[in-house]
Amino acid sequence: KAGVTQTPRYLIKTRGQQVTLSCSPISGHRSVSWYQQTPGQGLQFLFEYFSETQRNKGNFPGRFSGRQFSNSRSEMNVSTLELGDSALYLCASSFLVEKTQYFGPGTRLLVL
Amino acid sequence: AQTVTQSQPEMSVQEAETVTLSCTYDTSESDYYLFWYKQPPSRQMILVIRQEAYKQQNATENRFSVNFQKAAKSFSLKISDSQLGDAAMYFCAYRSAGGTSYGKLTFGQGTILTVHP
Repeated sequence: KAGVTQTPRYLIKTRGQQVTLSCSPISGHRSVSWYQQTPGQGLQFLFEYFSETQRNKGNFPGRFSGRQFSNSRSEMNVSTLELGDSALYLCASSFLVEKTQYFGPGTRLLVL
Repeated sequence: AQTVTQSQPEMSVQEAETVTLSCTYDTSESDYYLFWYKQPPSRQMILVIRQEAYKQQNATENRFSVNFQKAAKSFSLKISDSQLGDAAMYFCAYRSAGGTSYGKLTFGQGTILTVHP
């Protein structure tokens, strides 16, 4: 079974731009969670989607948003990029009642 | 809110020897899950082992085992017969079993493990 995939793997943007990251979960997994990883703040939860509904959201500004499609693929969007948004963005998927999350390879975003 | 603390920023071990990574957590919940993830230089987060809080038996996965002390809120990872491929950043993570904490893992700050040949 294929693992979680994320595209693109690397992105370079400038301040003020917006960016969209994509995540395809493991087949059959309907829950998708997103995390931001930075050297200073570590791993922080962004949000979780299940059946196209956002069920949980972390403590991030409204510039961070996401959505999930009927095939469980998910996207996250960051608008008006700031230098501090430079990070590794990780997506994880899990099965319906399974509590274990399986991670994708991440998207490394650099904001200049 | 739950917190996870890994007090060892770095650890090192000789190949073939045993090393233990520490993790403590704070929660008022009685039902939850604990995980150890490994993140090698490729940055891919890989599940190492999982423990359900309601299970008293410590989880094991081949060379990896945990010492879960629920009352002490401690969850350490023991790696036996260490291999060069075990070198990575290790994260301890907590997940609530219910409530509204859907899909949220709370991570510790990580422990960098170096394996010497």
